[in-house]
Amino acid sequence: GAVVSQHPSRVICKSGTSVKIECRSLDFQATTMFWYRQFPKQSLMLMATSNEGSKATYEQGVEKDKFLINHASLTLSTLTVTSAHPEDSSFYICSARNVAEETQYFGPGTRLLVL
Amino acid sequence: AQSVTQLGSHVSVSEGALVLLRCNYSSSVPPYLFWYVQYPNQGLQLLLKYTSAATLVKGINGFEAEFKKSETSCHLTKPSAHMSDAAEYFCAVTYTDKLIFGTGTRLQVFP
Repeated sequence: GAVVSQHPSRVICKSGTSVKIECRSLDFQATTMFWYRQFPKQSLMLMATSNEGSKATYEQGVEKDKFLINHASLTLSTLTVTSAHPEDSSFYICSARNVAEETQYFGPGTRLLVL
Repeated sequence: AQSVTQLGSHVSVSEGALVLLRCNYSSSVPPYLFWYVQYPNQGLQLLLKYTSAATLVKGINGFEAEFKKSETSCHLTKPSAHMSDAAEYFCAVTYTDKLIFGTGTRLQVFP
């Protein structure tokens, strides 16, 4: 199987601070990773596509200056929520695309609570 | 653009009963199609993947899906529900590199 990890699993921060979430593919290389946001009792909303060695591609309506994405290696993508506000509180999930299998594998998610 | 429709936001079954979760997609071209399961406060786990190699695909945990091109459907079934199957189930199809998700179906299993 393919394993994707996320860290931290849960984070509480004060309004105005920045939070970094890491997404790692543990047993395969991923040139493409994805960041999703999930509101309670809803489906996943794609925020951005993270491309190794190049700029991320953001979905319409997602502020690229607020949600900074870095994909510096073939196994790691990071999402930084800058100047977090209570409305940024959510469940953030990453996935990594295994090209050989044409399949996205998902991380366990990060619960962000901004006070 | 692709779209995915999951009929029934909630499905309730008794333990031991048949599970049927419905998924229809919009494209006339058979895509890669996936079923994922999400347990509370967790990420998505791949149940099965359809890649056009066979119309009936077996997944993990006793689930399987039958792909019907004429109906543009790929419903998920399990012959006998277990309490541990209670979760949210998502159907998704690929569109370029991205996944297009359905709205999900919450499965409840009663003893």
